[in-house]
Amino acid sequence: IAGITQAPTSQILAAGRRMTLRCTQDMRHNAMYWYRQDLGLGLRLIHYSNTAGTTGKGEVPDGYSVSRANTDDFPLTLASAVPSQTSVYFCASSDSVGNTIYFGEGSWLTVV
Amino acid sequence: AQSVTQLDSQVPVFEEAPVELRCNYSSSVSVYLFWYVQYPNQGLQLLLKYLSGSTLVKGINGFEAEFNKSQTSFHLRKPSVHISDTAEYFCAVTGAYNTDKLIFGTGTRLQVFP
Repeated sequence: IAGITQAPTSQILAAGRRMTLRCTQDMRHNAMYWYRQDLGLGLRLIHYSNTAGTTGKGEVPDGYSVSRANTDDFPLTLASAVPSQTSVYFCASSDSVGNTIYFGEGSWLTVV
Repeated sequence: AQSVTQLDSQVPVFEEAPVELRCNYSSSVSVYLFWYVQYPNQGLQLLLKYLSGSTLVKGINGFEAEFNKSQTSFHLRKPSVHISDTAEYFCAVTGAYNTDKLIFGTGTRLQVFP
């Protein structure tokens, strides 16, 4: 069982470029999330999706967009990357209210 | 809205000593509470969670936590730590009736010394 697969694992990106972080889960979970992790700030929710076709804004949505065309995929797009978006990005999913959230291994993004 | 505070950014402790990692939350509604652990260069995995019922929750690797509603706390404890427990620990909260968003604390780095 793969669980949650994120790609790329790491990326160095020039400022101003567009970038999409991919996330796929094979657990048929309804809810999916994107978090960023920064030293001293913990994990902060960027966007979430309760079910295919719906998305919502988290704590730090600016500069990011998401889509949820189907249950399995939840890509995160940076339309025009800035250095402050250098971070580790974690995709996560859960199957129902209050149940465990499962995390991917993370995507390390550096914007220069 | 919910929020969570982890007062200790780092907790150093010797092997086989007991440890407590503190977590306080803020919410105007009932909550679900979680502790996650992150080992170096890995994603997060669930240690334990409180949804309802008994306020003392036991998790994996010998950890336990107690939900204290009056003190709005959910401290994590282990009676005897091992070197392998060295990791980052995150407390998280979500509203019991609105679980769209799981909000994390800033994390506590547990460093176990031999």
